[in-house]
Amino acid sequence: EIVMTQSPATLSVSPGESATLSCRASQSVSSNLAWYQQKPGQAPRLLIYGASTRATGIPARFSGSGSGTEFTLTISSLQSEDFAVYYCQQYSNWPPLTFGGGTKVEIK
Amino acid sequence: EVRLVESGGGLVQPGRSLTLSCAAFGFTFDDYAMHWVRQAPGKGLEWVSGISWNSGRTDYADSVKGRFTISRDYARSSLYLQMDSLTPEDTALYYCAKDMFGLNSAYYYMDVWGKGTTVTVSS
Repeated sequence: EIVMTQSPATLSVSPGESATLSCRASQSVSSNLAWYQQKPGQAPRLLIYGASTRATGIPARFSGSGSGTEFTLTISSLQSEDFAVYYCQQYSNWPPLTFGGGTKVEIK
Repeated sequence: EVRLVESGGGLVQPGRSLTLSCAAFGFTFDDYAMHWVRQAPGKGLEWVSGISWNSGRTDYADSVKGRFTISRDYARSSLYLQMDSLTPEDTALYYCAKDMFGLNSAYYYMDVWGKGTTVTVSS
């Protein structure tokens, strides 16, 4: 099973600043990585797939990068609606599909 | 509108069974793999089970293998999760999710999610 590790667990950021979230895989997943956003009381929403491709309707301030075992989600100029929990998920080697533990982006 | 609507959750005693349902709307249900993903209270996301577009492949997390059964009904555009021998560790919000792709037996990522149905296992 591929273990996905996200860091930090919590990130405190001021509105308008940028946030950089990390996701590490226990073995290479190539570019088979997705990112999701989850707000309180809501279902997850797909943000990024293929490590760097934004899903339909996702603003350009969200960008993904990386390949192999190291991945980054960058949110530039954080808006109030961006404060949420973010999860990475690998789909390279399954079953199981595996998610990271999440990074909570909170208002500083 | 593309959407998924889960139902069937509730309070159940340890050792008992429960079946979750997920109705799909707004897309060709037959063409896509489908998944169940759960989230324990205050915790992260855990993939539970997946089924290929043609039901030819079903997969499970080790934590539920042998106890849960995923299935789909094409006539009803519905996904199901039969859960047997439930334990308190199965307490979670269960999401139904559509895979981005279909027409093969692979799993990818989930582009449509339902709002979830809550399962509580307690005596």
